[in-house]
Amino acid sequence: EVQLLESGGGLVQAGGSLRLSCAASGFTFSSYAMTWVRQAPGKGLEWVSVISGSGGRTYYADSVKGRFTLSRDNSKNTLYLLMNSLRPEDTALYYCAKDETKEVTTGPAWVSWGQGILVTVSS
Amino acid sequence: SYELTQPPSVSVSPGQTAGISCSGDKLGDKFASWFQQKPGQSPVLVIYQDTKRPSGIPERFSGSNSGNTATLTISGTQAMDGAKYYCQVWDTNSAVFGGGTELTVL
Repeated sequence: EVQLLESGGGLVQAGGSLRLSCAASGFTFSSYAMTWVRQAPGKGLEWVSVISGSGGRTYYADSVKGRFTLSRDNSKNTLYLLMNSLRPEDTALYYCAKDETKEVTTGPAWVSWGQGILVTVSS
Repeated sequence: SYELTQPPSVSVSPGQTAGISCSGDKLGDKFASWFQQKPGQSPVLVIYQDTKRPSGIPERFSGSNSGNTATLTISGTQAMDGAKYYCQVWDTNSAVFGGGTELTVL
């Protein structure tokens, strides 16, 4: 059974940093691209970033480009999202999700999702 | 940046067919996915690559995509299908979600 467990969230002041982790189990982690999606309180879904299975390719939403860095440690089956220069508008529930392919494609299938981790940025 | 437009709400009677639209420029040239989200829960993928259903998703969920509009169709809608639905596409190295449609089954 695929399991994704996010951690590392919490309350941080504007301008601060946090590192989110997504621990994966139940599948061969290195064989699948992974993505982060966030949801501000009471709002819709917003895609954040994606990384290929090897970690060699990453893409970011314009809203986080230059501030967030996505990486993975395939030996630890863990995905990381380093968030710097945080802003109040980054406040959201952050979900990690697993794709069904190794490479980043134009037709992703984000079948498996974690339960999400809350990040709150105070001004 | 690319934009997807969904109606804020759709209502349907139990047993009837519900259609939720998602519009965007030349959307038919891209692959569309659809996610269902109920309050307090993580999103669930119900359709990907326009028409494919993940394992475990009921056959009453189907998708189409042509021109500037993608459509999620739920046949024989059940009370449990009441939720918010989001469309999503990939455009120029980034993913985009629609604003979401609240489906009310009454």
